[in-house]
Amino acid sequence: QQPVQSPQAVILREGEDAVINCSSSKALYSVHWYRQKHGEAPVFLMILLKGGEQKGHEKISASFNEKKQQSSLYLTASQLSYSGTYFCGTRKEGAQKLVFGQGTRLTINP
Amino acid sequence: DAGVIQSPRHEVTEMGQEVTLRCKPISGHNSLFWYRQTMMRGLELLIYFNNNVPIDDSGMPEDRFSAKMPNASFSTLKIQPSEPRDSAVYFCASSLSGSTDTQYFGPGTRLTVL
Repeated sequence: QQPVQSPQAVILREGEDAVINCSSSKALYSVHWYRQKHGEAPVFLMILLKGGEQKGHEKISASFNEKKQQSSLYLTASQLSYSGTYFCGTRKEGAQKLVFGQGTRLTINP
Repeated sequence: DAGVIQSPRHEVTEMGQEVTLRCKPISGHNSLFWYRQTMMRGLELLIYFNNNVPIDDSGMPEDRFSAKMPNASFSTLKIQPSEPRDSAVYFCASSLSGSTDTQYFGPGTRLTVL
C-alpha cells in the first residue's frame, strides 16, 4: 500500500519553513526520506525507526508518530539548494522492500 | 567509494528490440533493487534480490521483463520485446540488509522506446 504524501507541491521563498507529511494505513517499522533533484537519482536524507527519536540533518529534521503511522519532514529556514522532490519510503516490520509515496515537489525561490 | 553504477545512462531503441540494463551495486551490499520511475506512476519497485536470489518480483510488469543477478557485483534487467510504454527512468539501488536497510540509488538509465 503506497503511503500518502502531503502536500503534493509547495512553493516557498528562501528562508521560509516547510513541513511535508507521509501517512500510511499499515503499521510501519521504518520511514526513509529521500530528495531527488531534476534529472538525478534520489538521495538518502534520513531514516526513522519505530521507537526511535526525532532525527536531524543540517536544518532538515523529521519525526515519526507511531500511533498515527505518520512521519513529518521539517525544513527550517529553507535554502535554494533544498529545491527538489521529496519522497518518503515506508517499510513494514519483517519486510525488506520500501514502498514510496508519490512525492512532494518543493520549489524555493530567492 | 564508488556508488551504484548503472549502464547505459541513456538508451534509445525501437519498439520490438531487446534492451538490457546493467547495474553494479556498492561493494559489500547484499541487497539489490530495480525501480522504474515515470511521471504517471512514480517510483515503482520492480524486483529485488537478497544475496543474489530474487525475493520479490511482484512488481515486474509482465513476461517481457526479466532480471538476473549472476553474482554479488552485477545485475541485469532485460526487456524483450520493448514497447513505447516501457519508456521511463530505471534505477538500481543497493543496501546492506539489516535493521536500517538504507538504499543507495544509482544514477539511472533513461530508456526511450520509439
